[in-house]
Amino acid sequence: GAVVSQHPSRVICKSGTSVKIECRSLDFQATTMFWYRQFPKKSLMLMATSNEGSKATYEQGVEKDKFLINHASLTLSTLTVTSAHPEDSSFYICSAEYRGYGEKLFFGSGTQLSVL
Amino acid sequence: AQTVTQSQPEMSVQEAETVTLSCTYDTSESDYYLFWYKQPPSRQMILVIRQEAYKQQNATENRFSVNFQKAAKSFSLKISDSQLGDAAMYFCAYRSVPGGSEKLVFGKGMKLTVNP
Repeated sequence: GAVVSQHPSRVICKSGTSVKIECRSLDFQATTMFWYRQFPKKSLMLMATSNEGSKATYEQGVEKDKFLINHASLTLSTLTVTSAHPEDSSFYICSAEYRGYGEKLFFGSGTQLSVL
Repeated sequence: AQTVTQSQPEMSVQEAETVTLSCTYDTSESDYYLFWYKQPPSRQMILVIRQEAYKQQNATENRFSVNFQKAAKSFSLKISDSQLGDAAMYFCAYRSVPGGSEKLVFGKGMKLTVNP
């Protein structure tokens, strides 16, 4: 099956620093990637939709200047949490669409961000 | 906007027995996809089963099967011969076909416990 690699799996940073999370589709080209945020014991909340070569589309209430998304190639999308604060601590998950494979979405293993 | 409802936050089942997880959704679209995802303690999202709305036949994947009732907008998951490894959070999800919003809309999830 298709594999999506997400790094890092866990990151601890100081308040005010920026953190970059990478999401790579290893064996397929992903024209669209999605970024989700998940709080403990809660469902996944879509943050933004990322299309290769164009600006990301953010969901209502998600600060695009805080959560910078870049989808520079068909196999890589990055999420940068800028000037992170403790309230940004969460589990972030990416998913990539494999068109032609039943429109299935494949998920990365997630990144646990802890901001001190 | 589409919504997905999982009304049971938790369920438990004895090993080797059968359990049914319920899900209802609301949409005005006639064609769409429905999914069940499993999230074990590792937090990796794993696709369990997928149903295309235009197909009347219920999807099956080994011990997992669905009861798709399009008119009732119901999409339940049946797990037969439950195993300890089935213990996880289960999320029901809806996705428009290409041309729609195409994002996955998740329910709140349900925690399944499997008792030995």
